[in-house]
Amino acid sequence: NAGVTQTPKFQVLKTGQSMTLQCAQDMNHEYMSWYRQDPGMGLRLIHYSVGAGITDQGEVPNGYNVSRSTTEDFPLRLLSAAPSQTSVYFCASNHNTHQETQYFGPGTRLLVL
Amino acid sequence: ILNVEQSPQSLHVQEGDSTNFTCSFPSSNFYALHWYRWETAKSPEALFVMTLNGDEKKKGRISATLNTKEGYSYLYIKGSQPEDSATYLCAFKETSGSRLTFGEGTQLTVNP
Repeated sequence: NAGVTQTPKFQVLKTGQSMTLQCAQDMNHEYMSWYRQDPGMGLRLIHYSVGAGITDQGEVPNGYNVSRSTTEDFPLRLLSAAPSQTSVYFCASNHNTHQETQYFGPGTRLLVL
Repeated sequence: ILNVEQSPQSLHVQEGDSTNFTCSFPSSNFYALHWYRWETAKSPEALFVMTLNGDEKKKGRISATLNTKEGYSYLYIKGSQPEDSATYLCAFKETSGSRLTFGEGTQLTVNP
């Protein structure tokens, strides 16, 4: 299994540009989540999905869209990038079980100029 | 927004020292408490998922305890090694359908 994969690893954007961060998992996990990690802020949940066709907002959803058309993929779209979205983005997935350990992808480092 | 706090924020110890840090969370509702280990330039990896009051989990030199009634969990590292240097995150889940709320982490540095 490849686990959770994310692309790209690093991206530089100009303010106002749009882009999509890709996330895929091959573990047949029902749950997928997007987090951003900023210094002194820990991991903050952006959006999450409990299954294909179902998404919901997390703690910091503004400026981001998600979709879940398949179990495997959960892309995160920045509609109009802003410098405040400079961060490291992690995708995670887990089964809907009592133990619910989250498996994290390698992260995408985004710089918005 | 749930308040999950970790202390200390950072910790420097010498190789061979034993150490511990704390995660505190709301004690009113409890479903699960997770611990993750996060090395620099890597992604977080799960250490433990704890669900019952009084739970004790152990993996090698690392162990954790859970007190859901008072809302805290301790992570212990016995005989710290330089390779234990990482940020240790806890995450709290209030109900089965709720999201994980992460603490800010404790950054551990073990000096050789």
